[in-house]
Amino acid sequence: DTEVTQTPKHLVMGMTNKKSLKCEQHMGHRAMYWYKQKAKKPPELMFVYSYEKLSINESVPSRFSPECPNSSLLNLHLHALQPEDSALYLCASSFRVGLETQYFGPGTRLLVL
Amino acid sequence: KQEVTQIPAALSVPEGENLVLNCSFTDSAIYNLQWFRQDPGKGLTSLLLIQSSQREQTSGRLNASLDKSSGRSTLYIAASQPGDSATYLCAVRAEDNFNKFYFGSGTKLNVKP
Repeated sequence: DTEVTQTPKHLVMGMTNKKSLKCEQHMGHRAMYWYKQKAKKPPELMFVYSYEKLSINESVPSRFSPECPNSSLLNLHLHALQPEDSALYLCASSFRVGLETQYFGPGTRLLVL
Repeated sequence: KQEVTQIPAALSVPEGENLVLNCSFTDSAIYNLQWFRQDPGKGLTSLLLIQSSQREQTSGRLNASLDKSSGRSTLYIAASQPGDSATYLCAVRAEDNFNKFYFGSGTKLNVKP
């Protein structure tokens, strides 16, 4: 299994809603990442987890809250988002941080109304 | 701060042509460089990973080269096909911080049948 899966594929939420994005991999990778990608722009790193511990937070607003319950699962909890947070949210994983290929999921397309 | 530039931003070629995509980076202190393709609205697919000590990597019709000292990488695609149409992104990982992964803004390739 060389796949990173993300659910849901699409999400529409209001500014007062609370929702979560989910990412899963079963490749035994111990590094997992969240990226945000706006249209026609490259992905921007948001968070990095290494061995289930948060190792990087790229000054992301607190309305985004990551969680890594176990080595296969990564969540991104969303609360009180703004319309400018609408984007494609990509999850990636690698065997270890830094040294190997990153494998990306298909992304969750988020629209905040 | 590392800046990654990809030229051209867009490229349209007839099927069967060989083509070269360019990636340049301002800080040569990189650990590795990775090439990805991204189809519209989708996640990233890893194509090739070149470690800083390597000069090139090949996979099928793809060949990526790296000249670390001059801050350049090229992705060569032989005998292009319409299925190669996508956005191609390069990303470099900083030598002093494996968590940092800097993306270029991509080259959008259209291969015409």
